Amino acid sequence: QQQVKQSPQSLIVQKGGISIINCAYENTAFDYFPWYQQFPGKGPALLIAIRPDVSEKKEGRFTISFNKSAKQFSLHIMDSQPGDSATYFCAASYNDMRFGAGTRLTVKP
Amino acid sequence: SAVISQKPSRDICQRGTSLTIQCQVDSQVTMMFWYRQQPGQSLTLIATANQGSEATYESGFVIDKFPISRPNLTFSTLTVSNMSPEDSSIYLCSVRRDRVGEQFFGPGTRLTVL
Repeated sequence: QQQVKQSPQSLIVQKGGISIINCAYENTAFDYFPWYQQFPGKGPALLIAIRPDVSEKKEGRFTISFNKSAKQFSLHIMDSQPGDSATYFCAASYNDMRFGAGTRLTVKP
Repeated sequence: SAVISQKPSRDICQRGTSLTIQCQVDSQVTMMFWYRQQPGQSLTLIATANQGSEATYESGFVIDKFPISRPNLTFSTLTVSNMSPEDSSIYLCSVRRDRVGEQFFGPGTRLTVL
């Protein structure tokens, strides 16, 4: 079922550093690309999302970069904080939503 | 956003029994979905819950095992039937107001089958 490939599987970053997570998709029908943040024992929470007619979207410390021709998109977390430690999922949607495998981010103080 | 509640939040069940999970949204939504998330894994779509008609199931999921109801635009249920330990997982309700746009998730139901 997985139509979205996500990397890396895990990521360790120092406090204040930049966290970068990458995703790639195949289905060109996808028209909505969100990122979710999930803490243990909680449901995924929508973090930021982008449509394919935009190459970049920034919300606070979180930025999505989107490359339509390469069918790739990435999440950048600037000034990473220990509170950002969570699992991050990229996703792609047309009618239903497909998720990447997830990236477990650890931000060390 | 949408406020989504699920009941129960967790349960421990015996093999061979069935459990019905309820999903309630605070406002009307067009689309409702059910996902499964096994420990440490990603989210897998089980089905799209259609109001007034049969749910649309993904490959690998069947109605006899996971019957779904959606009587209105704010409520849906997922039943996990004839459970086995392999059904131990987190089941998540998800909603979207339109075909394209923000999709929100409930807190999940953590199911353990002994």
